[in-house]
Amino acid sequence: IVLTQSPGTLSLSPGERATLSCRASQTVRGSLLAWYQQKPGQAPRVLVYGASTRATGIPDRFSGSGSGTDFTLTISRLEPEDFGVYYCQQYGSSPRTFGQGTKVEIK
Amino acid sequence: EVLLLESGGGLVRPGGSLRLSCVASGFTFSNYAMSWVRQAPGKGLEWVASLIDNGRDTYYADSVEGRFTISRDNSKNTLYLQMTSLRADDTALYYCARGHTDAWSEPCDYWGQGALVTVSS
Repeated sequence: IVLTQSPGTLSLSPGERATLSCRASQTVRGSLLAWYQQKPGQAPRVLVYGASTRATGIPDRFSGSGSGTDFTLTISRLEPEDFGVYYCQQYGSSPRTFGQGTKVEIK
Repeated sequence: EVLLLESGGGLVRPGGSLRLSCVASGFTFSNYAMSWVRQAPGKGLEWVASLIDNGRDTYYADSVEGRFTISRDNSKNTLYLQMTSLRADDTALYYCARGHTDAWSEPCDYWGQGALVTVSS
């Protein structure tokens, strides 16, 4: 399953809303899709799994939605620490695949 | 606190072999699926392999199938990745990651800091 993320780069100011898209080439089984955040020099961190369940300790400004082939990660109000690269991953079938990433940068 | 510590990375010539290790602490290692994920310099994430159901089932990316072997030693709380026939495009930071449970259909919820593998002559 090929995952295509858009946009490639999102330039926003703190306090703004961010909407990240992840489109799959075929149906993601069971909506088994996760979103990860990665900051420079750090390992990825899971934000959302099962398309819409926030991981432990993740602030409620992060929300995931979608099913089938179209998924969205929304950050309601950007905080300075939210800037980085975001990846979606499907883990319902093998091989697991990641999207190419969306970079969220400070405008 | 869950900790994953990778080791064994380094510089290796094309065609060579290397074994990565990942020592886990802070949780009951045998109860969780484990995976390796890599990231080439300046590039995105690529899933490499997963080990589930207490090691009974293994899954590999097409790019490493037949060359890499994932395994675990629960008595040592250690995950391994044996890499053979290495190629330049295997150059990457290799992350060890824990599954949310022991099942296949779970995301990776904890990650190590990575071990750098460089394949070059």
